[in-house]
Amino acid sequence: LAKTTQPISMDSYEGQEVNITCSHNNIATNDYITWYQQFPSQGPRFIIQGYKTKVTNEVASLFIPADRKSSTLSLPRVSLSDTAVYYCLVGDMEYGNKLVFGAGTILRVKS
Amino acid sequence: DAGVIQSPRHEVTEMGQEVTLRCKPISGHDYLFWYRQTMMRGLELLIYFNNNVPIDDSGMPEDRFSAKMPNASFSTLKIQPSEPRDSAVYFCASSPGGATGELFFGEGSRLTVL
Repeated sequence: LAKTTQPISMDSYEGQEVNITCSHNNIATNDYITWYQQFPSQGPRFIIQGYKTKVTNEVASLFIPADRKSSTLSLPRVSLSDTAVYYCLVGDMEYGNKLVFGAGTILRVKS
Repeated sequence: DAGVIQSPRHEVTEMGQEVTLRCKPISGHDYLFWYRQTMMRGLELLIYFNNNVPIDDSGMPEDRFSAKMPNASFSTLKIQPSEPRDSAVYFCASSPGGATGELFFGEGSRLTVL
């Protein structure tokens, strides 16, 4: 079972780029890396997913080195509304029992 | 699509009472998950179904918890009897499956057991 390690919390200011790194040393060959965002009183929401190298969508980028033992979620120019908990998930949907959330990273964006 | 629908949104009950939480997944999604979230333990995977069949219930805390999925559009999580330590937010999520399946979460059911 792939275990993930993330920083407990991070602080940033509006307009800055934020990078949150997740360690997953025992990632399996078939595992994908997925990031979710959760606001208070809401369920987690999908942000981005990748397998290797770099993935970019309209809200974030995901950087995955060649050994895949870590990944970095990059949020460009954060705003106050990006204050949330961010979870890194490593697993393969075909084996749903691997979809275990870690403790997450509390991101606080200040003005 | 309306998304994953959970009910009730809030429930307050007394210790010993039976609690039933309900979930309607997104149509066409083959996977359904039940998670529990508390401050102390974070998001815990309780059980998940594939095509209405329970695949892994190793996260279910004890025999007081049971989950069913009688058809593709409905699932229940039942706690009987309830205890104060069951107080938490219970999330249901569904997914179309496949190796890259995204989880779509409902808004959760906040349970308070007095």
